[in-house]
Amino acid sequence: DTAVSQTPKYLVTQMGNDKSIKCEQNLGHDTMYWYKQDSKKFLKIMFSYNNKELIINETVPNRFSPKSPDKAHLNLHINSLELGDSAVYFCASSQEHRGFYYNEQFFGPGTRLTVL
Amino acid sequence: TQLLEQSPQFLSIQEGENLTVYCNSSSVFSSLQWYRQEPGEGPVLLVTVVTGGEVKKLKRLTFQFGDARKDSSLHITAAQPGDTGLYLCAGLTADRGSTLGRLYFGRGTQLTVWP
Repeated sequence: DTAVSQTPKYLVTQMGNDKSIKCEQNLGHDTMYWYKQDSKKFLKIMFSYNNKELIINETVPNRFSPKSPDKAHLNLHINSLELGDSAVYFCASSQEHRGFYYNEQFFGPGTRLTVL
Repeated sequence: TQLLEQSPQFLSIQEGENLTVYCNSSSVFSSLQWYRQEPGEGPVLLVTVVTGGEVKKLKRLTFQFGDARKDSSLHITAAQPGDTGLYLCAGLTADRGSTLGRLYFGRGTQLTVWP
């Protein structure tokens, strides 16, 4: 039944490590996103993929690399983790079946990343 | 960067009270969405408003899009403890060179409704 799922839910790691977060959606949507939510709950887009093609690439350190093996999956790999990377990362998907103006996004449950 | 200012940042009220949350910007948006987020979960879409001046009602929640499509408000009547959560507004703008838009989120209003 899960529409947008992410794994893991929690990720605790040391500075300098490399980690990945996986995202899958079973809604048949064409577009998937990664967002970062900081400790003050500010939600900011990082990347967007449409049919496996990178569409939005915000000013994100190149230590962050998204990969979309197919349009139902969008993974996020992070190299050389830093303390400032600690946040909640949300995957989302959308389908513009109602037209551009609606672009309604369905979010996953989030991955809380803690870098020690 | 398109900035959306939400106010108030925190709101703590008693059950049965009314409240209004504001979302303001100097930028024009193609549409504006309101989401609600509960602890440990992702945001869930409540409504999308598209036309300037549009008003949408969802039971006790009333959403309004400003005439100039730069601001929006969320009014809750007779708040209940189940309304507790983080309310986020998000403005949609077109992305240059793409048919897809992008959402810019406000910083949220944390609402707590006490029984």
